[in-house]
Amino acid sequence: AQKVTQAQTEISVVEKEDVTLDCVYETRDTTYYLFWYKQPPSGELVFLIRRNSFDEQNEISGRYSWNFQKSTSSFNFTITASQVVDSAVYFCALKGTYKYIFGTGTRLKVLA
Amino acid sequence: DSGVTQTPKHLITATGQRVTLRCSPRSGDLSVYWYQQSLDQGLQFLIQYYNGEERAKGNILERFSAQQFPDLHSELNLSSLELGDSALYFCASSIRGGQNTGELFFGEGSRLTVL
Repeated sequence: AQKVTQAQTEISVVEKEDVTLDCVYETRDTTYYLFWYKQPPSGELVFLIRRNSFDEQNEISGRYSWNFQKSTSSFNFTITASQVVDSAVYFCALKGTYKYIFGTGTRLKVLA
Repeated sequence: DSGVTQTPKHLITATGQRVTLRCSPRSGDLSVYWYQQSLDQGLQFLIQYYNGEERAKGNILERFSAQQFPDLHSELNLSSLELGDSALYFCASSIRGGQNTGELFFGEGSRLTVL
């Protein structure tokens, strides 16, 4: 069975703080993809990053960085120097053969 | 703009009624997914179609049905609506040109309110 766990339901930080959103996954597939999506208050879902199971390189994109560790089945997302515009619900997702499984999301509130 | 179009954006109806939600995937995408997001809930996978054929099924109620047409657009039909069906329904597409790069591209959602 596949499962994605985002244990942090809600996180509040003050602007300019760094924040890490945790994602732990379970799968028996040897080939799989991991994703992060952002859902701002306006409601749409925005794709942020894809990582396949054979690529454990960490990635940095501006203030965003992702740490993929197969040994701990984790794919964590860090926002450096958070901004109010980062306030959103962030979903981690796993894709095996066909289905995409989403975590329950972490609501991030960045306070000015 | 993801390239996925959903209509209507908002819909208010009464219990017992039937509605149809429509989705046009990104040009060239062969696969369409439907998700339900209830208030402050995560995304619940309903169903997936690939090139007109049902590919995978999730927690889709028997009162709900979907199909993907030859032009690749999809419709989600919700019948005998109940208050608990009030939710944001997302359509997503992927697999452009047969190359599965993996990520889903979501429409803006259809917000259904059942009164």
